Amino acid sequence: QSALTQPASVSGSPGQSITISCSGTSSDVGGSKYVSWYQQHPGKAPKLMISDVSKRPSGVSFRFSGSKSGNTASLTISGLQAEDEADYYCSSYASSSTYVFGTGTKVTVL
Amino acid sequence: EVQVVESGGGLVNPGGSLRLSCGASGFIFGAYAMNWVRQAPGKGLQWVSSISSGGGISIYYADSVKGRFTISRDNTKNSLYLQMTSLRVEDTAVYFCARESRDGFHLDYWGQGTLVTVSS
Repeated sequence: QSALTQPASVSGSPGQSITISCSGTSSDVGGSKYVSWYQQHPGKAPKLMISDVSKRPSGVSFRFSGSKSGNTASLTISGLQAEDEADYYCSSYASSSTYVFGTGTKVTVL
Repeated sequence: EVQVVESGGGLVNPGGSLRLSCGASGFIFGAYAMNWVRQAPGKGLQWVSSISSGGGISIYYADSVKGRFTISRDNTKNSLYLQMTSLRVEDTAVYFCARESRDGFHLDYWGQGTLVTVSS
């Protein structure tokens, strides 16, 4: 149950696009269609942003998109806005019937 | 409106016990699997445990808490529980209760969390 690997920080200017990677193994990200992404503002509860690799829940901005290739999943935020500044976590439902989260990425809007 | 509210956190000595509760409203509690996820101060999210909608059929734990924590639920009270024993300093964290979606393995609603501090 090792954590998935994410970059510690990613930054971009308003209006730009950024991509956060999430690296795992064939036992989690690579072998699962259940990769999700969560946004967490300081002191708040996590919020689901992407489910099932690339599905956007109702109410989540179209600027958020997800994808996967092999053992690595990615979250792209396009048209970066100040309100997007937060921590982002990927998660995968693993073959052991457990969830594993990523190490987390702090997104900074310059 | 879907709501989950955690309670029961506090300060406990190493080796001690604590029971967390999570009250749910706004949805048919008994139809959903539920999870506990924790976050140590300044650290990332760590999945702790899950329980199927019916209760005892499917229960899973992270290796770090297996044998020390017990998850349970009472669908008549719309409540989820986490009994924590043999607590360690490294169990210090905010504990979140989270609902598992019925259309896939992801956590679609989270509570605000309750802080557990293990310290002498």
